[in-house]
Amino acid sequence: QKEVEQNSGPLSVPEGAIASLNCTYSDRGSQSFFWYRQYSGKSPELIMFIYSNGDKEDGRFTAQLNKASQYVSLLIRDSQPSDSATYLCAVNIDDMRFGAGTRLTVKP
Amino acid sequence: SAVISQKPSRDICQRGTSLTIQCQVDSQVTMMFWYRQQPGQSLTLIATANQGSEATYESGFVIDKFPISRPNLTFSTLTVSNMSPEDSSIYLCSVQTGNYYGYTFGSGTRLTVV
Repeated sequence: QKEVEQNSGPLSVPEGAIASLNCTYSDRGSQSFFWYRQYSGKSPELIMFIYSNGDKEDGRFTAQLNKASQYVSLLIRDSQPSDSATYLCAVNIDDMRFGAGTRLTVKP
Repeated sequence: SAVISQKPSRDICQRGTSLTIQCQVDSQVTMMFWYRQQPGQSLTLIATANQGSEATYESGFVIDKFPISRPNLTFSTLTVSNMSPEDSSIYLCSVQTGNYYGYTFGSGTRLTVV
C-alpha cells in the first residue's frame, strides 16, 4: 500500500467552478499534511498545510482533514485557468512523502 | 521561507559519466533533502543530508550511485555517478523551513543521459 494516494486525474473543471482534489494516507501516526502546486516544468510550491481535523481556509483554497478516515482534500473555489497545474498531496512522517499528484485543468 | 539556488538547471550527459548538482540555501538549515522526479511521476526521496554526518538513503538508492556532501549548514551536493539513460530525471533539493514544517524546493536540475 502506497503511503499517500491520489487520483491521478486528469481533472477538468470549467472556469468559476469548484475543483475538488482528494488524498488518502496510510500512516495513522501522521500529524501534518500539505498540498503543493506544481506548474509544468517548475518545482513544487507549498499552498496549504493542515494539522487539525476540520477545514482550513486560505483565500480560494480550503483544505479538509479527517484523521479517522485518513483523508485529506483540497477545494479550489472560483477556479481560474491559472490554477491549471498538478497538485501534490504530501504527508510529513519523518520526512515529506508525496502522492502521485492530480493534474487539474481549468477551462475558460 | 528559505531561498534555494540550485545548479545546473539542466544538463545532457553521456552515459558512464557523473554529474554533480549543487544547492545553496540563503539560511542555515539542519537537514536538506534530495528528491528525484521522473517524467510524469511524483517525487521520490533519495536521501536526507545532515551536516556533519553521513547522508541517510532511502530504499533503492545507494551511496556509491548518489554520493552526497554536506560540508556546512547552507550547502549540499548530490552526484549522480556512472549515469545511464534510466537516470534521466529531474533532481530537486529541498529544505524544511518555517514553523509549519513545509518544504521549500530548489528550481530543479533536468538531467538527460544519452
